[in-house]
Amino acid sequence: GAVVSQHPSWVICKSGTSVKIECRSLDFQATTMFWYRQFPKQSLMLMATSNEGSKATYEQGVEKDKFLINHASLTLSTLTVTSAHPEDSSFYICSARDQTAGRLETQYFGPGTRLLVL
Amino acid sequence: LAKTTQPISMDSYEGQEVNITCSHNNIATNDYITWYQQFPSQGPRFIIQGYKTKVTNEVASLFIPADRKSSTLSLPRVSLSDTAVYYCLVGITGTASKLTFGTGTRLQVTL
Repeated sequence: GAVVSQHPSWVICKSGTSVKIECRSLDFQATTMFWYRQFPKQSLMLMATSNEGSKATYEQGVEKDKFLINHASLTLSTLTVTSAHPEDSSFYICSARDQTAGRLETQYFGPGTRLLVL
Repeated sequence: LAKTTQPISMDSYEGQEVNITCSHNNIATNDYITWYQQFPSQGPRFIIQGYKTKVTNEVASLFIPADRKSSTLSLPRVSLSDTAVYYCLVGITGTASKLTFGTGTRLQVTL
């Protein structure tokens, strides 16, 4: 099946710093990627939809100036958590929609990035 | 977006067949049904997807009745490694439709 990678897999940073998380579709092109956040024992919460070559669409309640999304190519989307604070500590997961002709069209998820803000 | 309802948790013994049912009463004509499996500290893994009737792959079967208001994921002969959270999602393929996760079903498999 289609593979999505994330980097880094985990990161620890000081409060007030910015952290960038990369999401890559390895064997397919994705015009649309999605970013989720998951707190312990909870379900995934969609944060934003990342569109290649255009602005991301954010879900209600998600600060677009705090969670910067860039989708500069068909295989890469980045999420930057700006001025991170301890409450931003979470598990961040991206997904990419595989629309390759001949393949089952669905979303595939990355392995996630654990962020800890001290 | 169609909302889904699943049992919060299920228990099973190793070697048994497990059926997890998901209710999606407001499913739209163009919606597909997709199931994912998630282990702790990992991203969800695609299991199976279908539109109607029955779909089977090497790991599971998906049963969808004619009215499509529910679906059942069937895991044959589960093992301890199948202990995970299973999510049922409903959404439109062919577009950039976003998927909304419900609470999922926490499956615990024991000896």
